[in-house]
Amino acid sequence: EAGVAQSPRYKIIEKRQSVAFWCNPISGHATLYWYQQILGQGPKLLIQFQNNGVVDDSQLPKDRFSAERLKGVDSTLKIQPAKLEDSAVYLCASSSGQGGYFGPGTRLTVL
Amino acid sequence: QKEVEQNSGPLSVPEGAIASLNCTYSDRVSQSFFWYRQYSGKSPELIMSIYSNGDKEDGRFTAQLNKASQYVSLLIRDSQPSDSATYLCAVRWNSGNTPLVFGKGTRLSVIA
Repeated sequence: EAGVAQSPRYKIIEKRQSVAFWCNPISGHATLYWYQQILGQGPKLLIQFQNNGVVDDSQLPKDRFSAERLKGVDSTLKIQPAKLEDSAVYLCASSSGQGGYFGPGTRLTVL
Repeated sequence: QKEVEQNSGPLSVPEGAIASLNCTYSDRVSQSFFWYRQYSGKSPELIMSIYSNGDKEDGRFTAQLNKASQYVSLLIRDSQPSDSATYLCAVRWNSGNTPLVFGKGTRLSVIA
């Protein structure tokens, strides 16, 4: 069974630029999460989708972050404009009802 | 505010010893509990889940849950240097696909 796929793996941008991340969950998993993990901290939920509907986006900075999950499969997370404090690893996870399974993450550096 | 607390460590144990990792959570109605292992530079990997009070064993790992005291722990028997990693506790507050809330993790170092 293929795992969660994410791209790109690494991204370096300057502040005020925009960036997008892509995630393909495990086949059949209805739930998809985007987490932000800053070095030395646990993952922080940004947004949770159930199929193509949003379940929880209470911690998503909506003035600069957006996410969508068209057709209930792949998802994209966008940051526009980026700030220095957005430097982190962005993790996508999917779930069929129990624990979440993570992709390899995208390491974002904002200069 | 739903919170998951872990001692950040580092927790150092000698090879072959039992490593004990603890986690407390703030909400009594929490339903599901998970332990993840995260190696440096890698993404979290699910290693244990527990839903009922008591112990659950899987190989060298034992998860323990006490809902009345609101804590969950992970024991690693016969610790190996390859167990050196950060261990993240995650809690799901309700049934179904509600978000997983993570603690900050405990860094474990197994000394050969």
